[in-house]
Amino acid sequence: QKEVEQNSGPLSVPEGAIASLNCTYSDRGSQSFFWYRQYSGKSPELIMFIYSNGDKEDGRFTAQLNKASQYVSLLIRDSQRSDSATYLCAVNGNTGTASKLTFGTGTRLQVTL
Amino acid sequence: GAGVSQSPRYKVTKRGQDVALRCDPISGHVSLYWYRQALGQGPEFLTYFNYEAQQDKSGLPNDRFSAERPEGSISTLTIQRTEQRDSAMYRCASSMTGGPYNEQFFGPGTRLTVL
Repeated sequence: QKEVEQNSGPLSVPEGAIASLNCTYSDRGSQSFFWYRQYSGKSPELIMFIYSNGDKEDGRFTAQLNKASQYVSLLIRDSQRSDSATYLCAVNGNTGTASKLTFGTGTRLQVTL
Repeated sequence: GAGVSQSPRYKVTKRGQDVALRCDPISGHVSLYWYRQALGQGPEFLTYFNYEAQQDKSGLPNDRFSAERPEGSISTLTIQRTEQRDSAMYRCASSMTGGPYNEQFFGPGTRLTVL
C-alpha cells in the first residue's frame, strides 16, 4: 500500500463545475495535509493546507479532512481553464518524521469548455 | 530574494562525474528540504536541515549523495560518480520553521541529465 494515494486521472470537468480531488494516506499519526498545484514543467505551488478534521475554505478552494477515514480532499468550485494542472496531495509524518512531506503521484485535472 | 532559487536550472553531465546543485532558500527560513521528482510522480523526500544541522537524511538513495548547509542558509546537494539513474528534477523547498505545521515553498528545480 502506497503511503499517499491519489487517482492519477485525468479528471475532466466542464468550466464552472465543481472539481473534487481525493487522497488517502496510510500513516494514522500524520498531522498535517497539503495540496499543491503543479502546472506542466513548473514547480509545485502550495494552495491549501489543513490540520484539523472538517472543512477549510479559501476562495474557490475547500480542503476537507477526515482523520478517522484517513482521507483528505480538495474541492474547486467554479472551475476555470486556468485550474487545469496536476494536484499533488502531501502528508506530513508523525512526530519522528514531522518535517518530511510524503507526496502522492498527483491527479491531473482538465477543465474543459 | 522573494522566493527559493536554485542553480543551475539545467545540468548535463557524463556518467561518473560529480555534480553540485545549489539552493538559496527564502530569506529567514530556518528549514530547507531537498526532494527529487521523476516524471509523472510527486516529489520524493531526500533530506532536510534546520539551520545548519542536517535533521533527516533518510531519503538519500546511497552514499554517493550528500548535502550540506554550512552557514544555515545556502545548501548544496552533491552527487558523486553520477549514474544515468540519477537523472531527474531535483527540487529544493524551504519553510519558516520545521515541525509538522510548516508550509514548504518550492524553488524552480534543477533538471539533471546524466549521459
